[in-house]
Amino acid sequence: DTAVSQTPKYLVTQMGNDKSIKCEQNLGHDTMYWYKQDSKKFLKIMFSYNNKELIINETVPNRFSPKSPDKAHLNLHINSLELGDSAVYFCASSQDPLAGTWETQYFGPGTRLLVL
Amino acid sequence: GNSVTQMEGPVTLSEEAFLTINCTYTATGYPSLFWYVQYPGEGLQLLLKATKADDKGSNKGFEATYRKETTSFHLEKGSVQVSDSAVYFCALISNTGNQFYFGTGTSLTVIP
Repeated sequence: DTAVSQTPKYLVTQMGNDKSIKCEQNLGHDTMYWYKQDSKKFLKIMFSYNNKELIINETVPNRFSPKSPDKAHLNLHINSLELGDSAVYFCASSQDPLAGTWETQYFGPGTRLLVL
Repeated sequence: GNSVTQMEGPVTLSEEAFLTINCTYTATGYPSLFWYVQYPGEGLQLLLKATKADDKGSNKGFEATYRKETTSFHLEKGSVQVSDSAVYFCALISNTGNQFYFGTGTSLTVIP
């Protein structure tokens, strides 16, 4: 039973292309997140969605756009890929943090993006 | 603002050695504190957590105590194993519950 799944696991593409990474969670959580982990393992939050509404939008380029068709899915679309976008992207989910319970985040296995 | 600072790695230890990874935080109010572990090629997973001052989180032989007076949440294990080799992240969630902050991660390698 996979709690948080991401596809694809690996993505190799050329500069300038547009690509999407999909994320699905079957935990019934209300909030989903996207993180970027660089080669030094530094983890940076990019977006957070709560009940299909964006509640955190860190200073990432507008080439990155999260799309949430329903609360179980949060996809990440990237336009005009650049070399610096190469990283591992993690999806995560948690119960509604505003509900007063400090719930754990559950992470997906990551998508390793390489831009050539 | 809120932030998490953890000791820089990499850390290399021999099997059965004692482990300490320091973590300090800055936060308003009373955040909840976490340690996550990332094994090679995998996503992060929760190792342990503590939600209030003086709480001790523990799991798989690891433990950490929430020290409000020193704003610290140091991770310790009395005897590490090769299988503990991973990257360890300290994290906090703000007292409003809507923001997570991760440390920069500390890479641990345990050699036989």
